[in-house]
Amino acid sequence: TQLLEQSPQFLSIQEGENLTVYCNSSSVFSSLQWYRQEPGEGPVLLVTVVTGGEVKKLKRLTFQFGDARKDSSLHITAAQPGDTGLYLCAGYNQGGKLIFGQGTELSVKP
Amino acid sequence: DTGVSQDPRHKITKRGQNVTFRCDPISEHNRLYWYRQTLGQGPEFLTYFQNEAQLEKSRLLSDRFSAERPKGSFSTLEIQRTEQGDSAMYLCASSKGHNTEAFFGQGTRLTVV
Repeated sequence: TQLLEQSPQFLSIQEGENLTVYCNSSSVFSSLQWYRQEPGEGPVLLVTVVTGGEVKKLKRLTFQFGDARKDSSLHITAAQPGDTGLYLCAGYNQGGKLIFGQGTELSVKP
Repeated sequence: DTGVSQDPRHKITKRGQNVTFRCDPISEHNRLYWYRQTLGQGPEFLTYFQNEAQLEKSRLLSDRFSAERPKGSFSTLEIQRTEQGDSAMYLCASSKGHNTEAFFGQGTRLTVV
């Protein structure tokens, strides 16, 4: 069974700090997607990483796909209160089903 | 195209009643997924379709849940004889196919009282 494990589950930091969220699996994924979700809304796609070792940047967010395509990380530089939300990683299992990690709930305090 | 659309956004129902939710995917997307999500958790897979064919249904789902996508476009999710434990956010997503980016609707928040 392919599973995605996210850590940490909760993160509370001060504005201006840096943070990293991890998404790990024992299985290989052909790609991983990162989403951000605000309360009462659906997840919004941030980025898709496809190639092992790939690094993608979205303003202050840096996404990396592990060389073996079993793990990914999201790094936020100089976090702002507007970054607060639930961050989710997701990938397609071999059966074609899109599965999600448990999520990382980020709170950035001013 | 404005993206994935879900209706209603909110639904309050009494225990034992049936409810039906609708999802309109992005028009050229063949795949459609339904998820259930509780507060602070990741979405839990319920079922998905390739065009009108239902490819997989979660074993976690009881027989009270059923989904259809009759013409390969919009989909409905019905919950019969609702229970308080069914209270959650129900999310729909669509994608062009396997291993392509999936886009979500805003969800339907169900409260069973």
